[in-house]
Amino acid sequence: SYVLTQPPSVSVAPGKSARVTCGGHNIGTKSVHWYQQKPGQAPVLVISYDSDRPSGIPERFSGSNSGNTATLTINRVEAGDEADYYCQVWDRDTNHPVFGGGTKLTFL
Amino acid sequence: EVRLVESGGGLVRPGGSLRLSCAASGFTFSAYTMHWVRQVPGKGLEWVSSIDKGSSDMYYADSLKGRFTISRDNAKNSLYLRMNSLRAADTAVYYCARLVCTGGSCYSDHWGQGALVTVSS
Repeated sequence: SYVLTQPPSVSVAPGKSARVTCGGHNIGTKSVHWYQQKPGQAPVLVISYDSDRPSGIPERFSGSNSGNTATLTINRVEAGDEADYYCQVWDRDTNHPVFGGGTKLTFL
Repeated sequence: EVRLVESGGGLVRPGGSLRLSCAASGFTFSAYTMHWVRQVPGKGLEWVSSIDKGSSDMYYADSLKGRFTISRDNAKNSLYLRMNSLRAADTAVYYCARLVCTGGSCYSDHWGQGALVTVSS
């Protein structure tokens, strides 16, 4: 089955930009969705279809996808952005979502 | 406002059974595929099972087949997960979520708050 690989953690200084990667074979040919999950809370969709932001998600959140890597970028990181981030693609062969292992975003 | 509220979680002994429910409101429940995703405490998200809007197609994670059964009642705007032969490894928070599918891909745009299932003697 399809495998998505994320770094376990990413550290960033407040106010700087953070990039969370999601690796997968030819992932650029798939649509990638990103979720943010804060401790004790349910996941929240922050990016769909590689780069679409749902209503209510700040413009600081953006996404890209090419080749074997999809990337979630958070500009001007704020304290409230500290969370776990998960990428997800849809496996058409088995008709179910595939999640990456998650990346914990923390402040330096 | 879309709302998904899980219930039915709790402590169950190994080998026992439990049924989770998810009450949906704020949208036309019968128009959406729904699924269950679980999360072992401190770990990542794991897809459990999906059911299409008319209950024609159900899908399960390979590791769960035969033990879990997904169902829905569109008249009651409710999604269910019947879990049998529970094991310690099934201890997790179980989320119900709405699936949105377009262009050959699907994602979850709304999630419930989760129901904790603890399997322990």
